[in-house]
Amino acid sequence: SAVISQKPSRDICQRGTSLTIQCQVDSQVTMMFWYRQQPGQSLTLIATANQGSEATYESGFVIDKFPISRPNLTFSTLTVSNMSPEDSSIYLCSVGMASGGWETQYFGPGTRLLVL
Amino acid sequence: GQQVMQIPQYQHVQEGEDFTTYCNSSTTLSNIQWYKQRPGGHPVFLIQLVKSGEVKKQKRLTFQFGEAKKNSSLHITATQTTDVGTYFCAGRERAQKLVFGQGTRLTINP
Repeated sequence: SAVISQKPSRDICQRGTSLTIQCQVDSQVTMMFWYRQQPGQSLTLIATANQGSEATYESGFVIDKFPISRPNLTFSTLTVSNMSPEDSSIYLCSVGMASGGWETQYFGPGTRLLVL
Repeated sequence: GQQVMQIPQYQHVQEGEDFTTYCNSSTTLSNIQWYKQRPGGHPVFLIQLVKSGEVKKQKRLTFQFGEAKKNSSLHITATQTTDVGTYFCAGRERAQKLVFGQGTRLTINP
């Protein structure tokens, strides 16, 4: 398993501004993921961030809105740009770790974002 | 694309009663995983099933993977208040991304 921390844990932001969320892992991992979770809803994958390559975005998410950095094997950031109230959500990073030949995911505590 | 459906969406039980959540995929899965998210918490990995017809147990929790590898279930025997939370299944088709079900939110009357 892995210990994952996220900063900030929560924030209240004004529309039109941007917020950068940091994700730190206590071990080196190849695969990191960013998810969004609306309250009471399931997890929606935003993008996969592998070190040494460009992030891969899922349908409905674009780099201009959610730029991601992955400078090394223990750290990643997700920026939510030009925020609107619709961006209010919980943002979770996760890491993929090998288990029985397959990858399982371990999640950070999440960042709770409210956009006014 | 791959879809993972989970039912029921909500389940309320009396403490001591059993609980089951079901997961169905539109496609054959290479593996299925189960996660638990406590209220206010983040998803925590519980288990992974890989083989057709596989059954795994963790204390009062029993996980099954269907013969066709398109469905799965989680059964909790004699629920306790510590079982409260949302249970997500997540399926993977070949080496593609993990797709999460909508989750089943379990509440328990002590």
